[in-house]
Formats: sequence, C-alpha cells, structure tokens
Amino acid sequence: SQQGEEDPQALSIQEGENATMNCSYKTSINNLQWYRQNSGRGLVHLILIRSNEREKHSGRLRVTLDTSKKSSSLLITASRAADTASYFCARRGTSYGKLTFGQGTILTVHP
Amino acid sequence: DAMVIQNPRYQVTQFGKPVTLSCSQTLNHNVMYWYQQKSSQAPKLLFHYYDKDFNNEADTPDNFQSRRPNTSFCFLDIRSPGLGDAAMYLCATSSNSGRLQGNEQFFGPGTRLTVL
Repeated sequence: SQQGEEDPQALSIQEGENATMNCSYKTSINNLQWYRQNSGRGLVHLILIRSNEREKHSGRLRVTLDTSKKSSSLLITASRAADTASYFCARRGTSYGKLTFGQGTILTVHP
Repeated sequence: DAMVIQNPRYQVTQFGKPVTLSCSQTLNHNVMYWYQQKSSQAPKLLFHYYDKDFNNEADTPDNFQSRRPNTSFCFLDIRSPGLGDAAMYLCATSSNSGRLQGNEQFFGPGTRLTVL
C-alpha cells in the first residue's frame, strides 16, 4: 500500500501522561505532516516536518523524522482530555503534490 | 476569520438520485481538494484543482465529478449515488507556489452523506 502505516491503531492513557504515535511509509517524501481529527469533524493541521529535518516542536507536540527508516513519530506531552481525537500522518511525495494519509491512531485521554 | 466552509453539513439522498456538495473558502488558496472518508478510515483523495487545472485520481469512479467556477468555490457532484458512497466528504485548500510545494492543507468541517 502507498499509504503510511500508523501504530498503535488505538491508544488509551490518563491525563498528564505522554502519548506517542508512530508512522511508517514506503516511498521517498518531500515532507510529512500530522493532522488531528475530532469525531465527525474536519482535519486540523498540527505540524509539518521536511525531509531534511529530524525533529520539530510546537507547544506540547514533538515530531521526529527518520528518513533512513522511513518513519516518524508524534509525541504529545502532558496530555489533556481535550487531546482525545484521531491523529493522522500524511506524507507528501517528491514528484506529486498530493498528501497520502495513514490509517490514523485513535487517542483517548481519560480525565 | 478566513476559513473553509462546507454545505450542507449533513446530506441525505436516495439511491441513484444526483447530489451536489459545496465548498467555499475565504483563504484565497489556489488549490482545492475533495476527499472521501469512510468510517474509521483514512481520507482518500478523489481529485483536486490546481487553479483551474483539474486533476483526477486514477481510482476515482466516473460517478464523481467536480466543478470549480471560481477561486472561492468548488463543487462535488455524485451523479448516481450508491450505498457504498455513504461517507464523510472533506474539502481542503492549500496555497502552493509551485507543484512541488507541499504546504499544509486547511480542511472544512465535512459533509456527511447518507444514501437511502
């Protein structure tokens, strides 16, 4: 499949804990993006990491990229109940402008 | 606030009855996308417009068509909806200065289509 693979498929944690989601892909990328989707809503862009970058931070979010392993991870620190959502990685290929989304990780943060 | 708007939020249609979903944006982005997302699945790109240039994905059924009359509006037409077309349809925009640019996409809230 050209889509990225994400794991875990579902993650359940307590408020205050850290959440780590992983994404793997098969072909070369221009960049990799992470999106959040609350139930029944559209996607919200969280962070973009380019192929020549290894780590990026935005608030409580930390994204890493290992192009040699074709993988990325999203870390949410000090999680909150409001972080409960589905999280998708999306890879931007090198020869075409579209995004290809992974299957997503469903994160549940319990108060 | 600049945004992507989709109407209606919920659409119910009958099997085989044509339906049109609409998307508008105030971001003045040159690229607009339509995605189909079925329950617990990843969004799947149907097609996109790069300015007025229409780009269809190879596996998008002929049953799905699109129109972009101007920069702000884009429509998704489903000519003969089947039960398998029930899904969330997401519109997104991006501002790409060149075809190899991969900037973030801004999504609308989606239209949930039910086919009876």
